[in-house]
Amino acid sequence: DQQVKQNSPSLSVQEGRISILNCDYTNSMFDYFLWYKKYPAEGPTFLISISSIKDKNEDGRFTVFLNKSAKHLSLHIVPSQPGDSAVYFCAASPEYGNKLVFGAGTILRVKS
Amino acid sequence: NAGVTQTPKFRILKIGQSMTLQCTQDMNHNYMYWYRQDPGMGLKLIYYSVGAGITDKGEVPNGYNVSRSTTEDFPLRLELAAPSQTSVYFCASSYVLSPRGSYNSPLHFGNGTRLTVT
Repeated sequence: DQQVKQNSPSLSVQEGRISILNCDYTNSMFDYFLWYKKYPAEGPTFLISISSIKDKNEDGRFTVFLNKSAKHLSLHIVPSQPGDSAVYFCAASPEYGNKLVFGAGTILRVKS
Repeated sequence: NAGVTQTPKFRILKIGQSMTLQCTQDMNHNYMYWYRQDPGMGLKLIYYSVGAGITDKGEVPNGYNVSRSTTEDFPLRLELAAPSQTSVYFCASSYVLSPRGSYNSPLHFGNGTRLTVT
């Protein structure tokens, strides 16, 4: 039973445009959500997070939106750059970042 | 500035062999974790530790053992390797002030160990 789902295995975007990556979750006990970015042959690296008391968090080109009623979050990257090409994992936790449950990941390709 | 270091990077095991995946961190993090990632799947938690001498099972602990004798090291032991354990293994660490507190660091991951069991 997948508690965190990323339904798009891949996404291709033109450089300079917006990338939108989506994530759905089923466990209402999750109260902290994170996005990780992963390059080949490297471990995931933390990108941005949001707690359940907020509906938006921004960090430079990256914004995460949380819709608790829909159990949905999204990551917006504006503008997209070729260096953003990577696998993006959505993760959720019932304990502010511990015991993360990960989605399967979305491969983002930014074309120049 | 090493962060989380995993060794080896690659390993091929025969069915029934045993091995230990090493993980060490130099950030003085109290929590450490082992995850595995299978193709097309997200990372799944195998074991975690909240401090030296304390470990607990995650989502997929069967076939693995761990120990945490120091803050820095968190080795993962496979006793009888099986083909189902073919995967990429990631170790991670984080600083947790309080399990339900709002200030905890995000997980920092090592670069992984790719294990093949044939």
